[in-house]
Amino acid sequence: DSGVTQTPKHLITATGQRVTLRCSPRSGDLSVYWYQQSLDQGLQFLIQYYNGEERAKGNILERFSAQQFPDLHSELNLSSLELGDSALYFCASSGEKGAPREQYFGPGTRLTVT
Amino acid sequence: AQKVTQAQTEISVVEKEDVTLDCVYETRDTTYYLFWYKQPPSGELVFLIRRNSFDEQNEISGRYSWNFQKSTSSFNFTITASQVVDSAVYFCALRGNNAGNMLTFGGGTRLMVKP
Repeated sequence: DSGVTQTPKHLITATGQRVTLRCSPRSGDLSVYWYQQSLDQGLQFLIQYYNGEERAKGNILERFSAQQFPDLHSELNLSSLELGDSALYFCASSGEKGAPREQYFGPGTRLTVT
Repeated sequence: AQKVTQAQTEISVVEKEDVTLDCVYETRDTTYYLFWYKQPPSGELVFLIRRNSFDEQNEISGRYSWNFQKSTSSFNFTITASQVVDSAVYFCALRGNNAGNMLTFGGGTRLMVKP
């Protein structure tokens, strides 16, 4: 158990809908990262938050947005869903202060868009 | 730009065989960090090791060992005396010092260990 929690574990929804994925980092970790794992694109970084502020952005679509709250949990919002958004979405956290540390991943949310 | 290549998409071995998973990386950063993660059939990503670019010592942890060679930009992972429980997809990842904090993953190697 990495200490990172994600809910829900599975999500099935229809095209055009909007969903919210939730992540709670390990106790004490200030950084939260979101990654998408799909068959055709592999594991891709989406976005990072550090102590409530956006720190880095990757290949995140404009239809997707995220935020990190004062209690450090994070939410990834996916809107106007398309079939191609079906994927496993991971949240990771790390406790780096200065020197980079390893990222610990949550169990993932499997999103199926029908 | 950073890139990680895992040329072996799938490897099949019989239990107790040794197996090496290859990882080759590209980065322009002079300081960088390399990682290996394991993704078992249950789907979660499990951290295995972090290696800093300025530390070229190889590492052994039980049946696992890692060979970091800066001269060939490789960070290979060897499992000795493989077991069925080692069956998983293994990912090599790179994080640069100047490219933000994100991990760049390779495509993964699916390892199947047969009894």
